[in-house]
Amino acid sequence: NAGVTQTPKFRILKIGQSMTLQCAQDMNHNYMYWYRQDPGMGLKLIYYSVGAGITDKGEVPNGYNVSRSTTEDFPLRLELAAPSQTSVYFCASTPGQNFYGYTFGSGTRLTVV
Amino acid sequence: EDKVVQSPLSLVVHEGDTVTLNCSYEVTNFRSLLWYKQEKKAPTFLFMLTSSGIEKKSGRLSSILDKKELSSILNITATQTGDSAIYLCAVALIQGAQKLVFGQGTRLTINP
Repeated sequence: NAGVTQTPKFRILKIGQSMTLQCAQDMNHNYMYWYRQDPGMGLKLIYYSVGAGITDKGEVPNGYNVSRSTTEDFPLRLELAAPSQTSVYFCASTPGQNFYGYTFGSGTRLTVV
Repeated sequence: EDKVVQSPLSLVVHEGDTVTLNCSYEVTNFRSLLWYKQEKKAPTFLFMLTSSGIEKKSGRLSSILDKKELSSILNITATQTGDSAIYLCAVALIQGAQKLVFGQGTRLTINP
């Protein structure tokens, strides 16, 4: 049982490049989330989804896009990378009923230079 | 704006000491409060508190929620070096999306 899988674990991007952070879960969870964590800070919500085909903005969505074509996958796209997007990105999921907290992925450390 | 504030932001103690970490919140539509421990990677779940005044315990860790004061504490007794981590407090909102609002975290360092 893999849980929530994020790839890649590390990435260095140049300013202006694009990339997609992958997130997949095998627990049949309806709700999925992307958070970013900057040094010394808590987690800030970027985007979330309550089911396939449904996404919505969180607290810090600028510079990012998401899609949710299947229940399992929730990729996060950075179109024009900026140094301000240097952060650790966490994907998380929860069933959607009887809330027991999130299952987190192991994170992606992204550096934009 | 929903807000969760933790204190202290950083704490250094000696092994064997007892520590108390604080979390206060100002949110609309409170559902529950969660504590997570974060070492190198992803946060791992410690407690979820929904009812005021009921202590949750797991080994040397315990936590309690005070809904009147809009706050929670996390206690760790007889600390060990393995307790060194960032401790995150988060509040779950009563909304369809079960979003969590996180505090900044408390970085706890236990020296031998």
